[in-house]
Amino acid sequence: DAKTTQPPSMDCAEGRAANLPCNHSTISGNEYVYWYRQIHSQGPQYIIHGLKNNETNEMASLIITEDRKSSTLILPHATLRDTAVYYCIVRVLSSNTGKLIFGQGTTLQVKP
Amino acid sequence: DSGVTQTPKHLITATGQRVTLRCSPRSGDLSVYWYQQSLDQGLQFLIQYYNGEERAKGNILERFSAQQFPDLHSELNLSSLELGDSALYFCASSEGLAGSDTQYFGPGTRLTVL
Repeated sequence: DAKTTQPPSMDCAEGRAANLPCNHSTISGNEYVYWYRQIHSQGPQYIIHGLKNNETNEMASLIITEDRKSSTLILPHATLRDTAVYYCIVRVLSSNTGKLIFGQGTTLQVKP
Repeated sequence: DSGVTQTPKHLITATGQRVTLRCSPRSGDLSVYWYQQSLDQGLQFLIQYYNGEERAKGNILERFSAQQFPDLHSELNLSSLELGDSALYFCASSEGLAGSDTQYFGPGTRLTVL
């Protein structure tokens, strides 16, 4: 699986959009980009995933660049409850094992 | 609530002891994964089972073992415990094996070895 690079920490004002970048310059054509988050010591929570098109769900939007070498997770209106560690993970589409390889992630601090 | 349950929530034991952590996957999910999260190592994949069979192994110590039962619940057995085994242990489940299958995590078991 391709390696990802994320900034270690970011701040965001409550009510504003949080834009979390991820670099995955060695991604292959058969690899998805997944985002999970972990609030305090809870179990990681699935947020969104995509292959090459932009995706949106009730939690967030995922913007993947045309060359697929980087992506941005957007939380449109961040709240204090969005304070968490956000993990960007690349997974092989056709893998016969779904194991997740977590990096260090980005600690997002949403401030009032 | 992800639908994945783990017991116990907390476990305190002594070095040299053996413990068993239990996980019940979401209804219909055939794959179960175990992860360990310690302060210095972050979240690490340990082992995966699919429909009762071991499917993938990560950085799992020989002192650790797991199994998945016919009802699909899974147990992680940790023996000859050391101080360094203190960590959060998470179980996750997914529908199948594909890299596109979303994994859902349980709340974790916090193991403290004294």
